[in-house]
Amino acid sequence: NAGVMQNPRHLVRRRGQEARLRCSPMKGHSHVYWYRQLPEEGLKFMVYLQKENIIDESGMPKERFSAEFPKEGPSILRIQQVVRGDSAAYFCASSPSRARNTEAFFGQGTRLTVV
Amino acid sequence: TQLLEQSPQFLSIQEGENLTVYCNSSSVFSSLQWYRQEPGEGPVLLVTVVTGGEVKKLKRLTFQFGDARKDSSLHITAAQPGDTGLYLCAALTQGGSEKLVFGKGTKLTVNP
Repeated sequence: NAGVMQNPRHLVRRRGQEARLRCSPMKGHSHVYWYRQLPEEGLKFMVYLQKENIIDESGMPKERFSAEFPKEGPSILRIQQVVRGDSAAYFCASSPSRARNTEAFFGQGTRLTVV
Repeated sequence: TQLLEQSPQFLSIQEGENLTVYCNSSSVFSSLQWYRQEPGEGPVLLVTVVTGGEVKKLKRLTFQFGDARKDSSLHITAAQPGDTGLYLCAALTQGGSEKLVFGKGTKLTVNP
């Protein structure tokens, strides 16, 4: 069974460019979560999506950030006009349902560097 | 304010020593999870504790959930260099979308 797949693993963007991070959940999982991790920090929740729906985006910055999880294909986290402060590791997790205590499985992350 | 406070933030010990790390909160949780994260990798789930007072063992790792379900501890016996990593506790928020929130983690280094 393939785990949660994230790509690219590393992404370098110049200030002002767009960054697209992709996440393919585990087979059979319809719930996707995105987290951001800064050095020496825990993971900060960004957004929770189900297929074609955003369930909770309370952790997303109000501007420049967007996320989608289409009916077909991976979930995409999009950052427009990147700035140096966007440099971080971005992790995606998936779960089969939103039932209480359901386990979430994480991908290996995308490390974004803005130069 | 941090919902989950982990301590210590950093811990460096010698191989063979025992250690305990803590995860505390003023909130009550229905469950709490412990993850280990190695450099350059995503977090890997170690255990989920659900019942107040519950104790779970995973080889040399012992996890305990406080009676009031507000805190948890992870005890490692006879630590090995392979235990080195960032240990994160996480809990589901009550109500709403039930998103998973994380503590800042304890960075453990076990020296040979």
